Amino acid sequence: AQSVTQLGSHVSVSEGALVLLRCNYSSSVPPYLFWYVQYPNQGLQLLLKYTSAATLVKGINGFEAEFKKSETSFHLTKPSAHMSDAAEYFCAVSAAYGGSQGNLIFGKGTKLSVKP
Amino acid sequence: DGGITQSPKYLFRKEGQNVTLSCEQNLNHDAMYWYRQDPGQGLRLIYYSQIVNDFQKGDIAEGYSVSREKKESFPLTVTSAQKNPTAFYLCASSSSGRITGELFFGEGSRLTVL
Repeated sequence: AQSVTQLGSHVSVSEGALVLLRCNYSSSVPPYLFWYVQYPNQGLQLLLKYTSAATLVKGINGFEAEFKKSETSFHLTKPSAHMSDAAEYFCAVSAAYGGSQGNLIFGKGTKLSVKP
Repeated sequence: DGGITQSPKYLFRKEGQNVTLSCEQNLNHDAMYWYRQDPGQGLRLIYYSQIVNDFQKGDIAEGYSVSREKKESFPLTVTSAQKNPTAFYLCASSSSGRITGELFFGEGSRLTVL
């Protein structure tokens, strides 16, 4: 079975500072991993995904994530935060083979605040 | 443009009433999903459908019902049996057969029970 743990329900950074959002996963098979972003009262938008190719994945809006199998982690980073990055971020995992119930298992989310 | 359309965006309901949330997609995706979102809870799966005329319960199906009569449409009914229906509901779709599992989401429907 797959599961996702996001460390920190709220993260606050200053504009221009490094953004680091943590995600650890559990999976009995090689995982596919995703980061989604959600702005208030909107649906989720895919930021990036890891599908067993390069371990460093680059996404939209300057975000990237690194898959570390030994640490079962898939942390999301951005070198310099912008005010428009303020949103909620969700990490998700799916089984690489076959379909799992619901297709994706989501973490509980991390709200990112950006201070001017 | 291809995408997923949910309606209504905001809905108010009196206790004891059933309501139906609409979800339509023009992405030609086989699979569709309904998630419920509560603050601090992440997304929880209600129902999903991998093919027309077939659907499966998710983790929190009690008090909800769905149908999948057309590939494009996957409406969700919140019944009076749902004890705490106030929430944000998200519909999603994916292309079955792709093992990458990426989901495409609608804009959501916010249901408030008065």
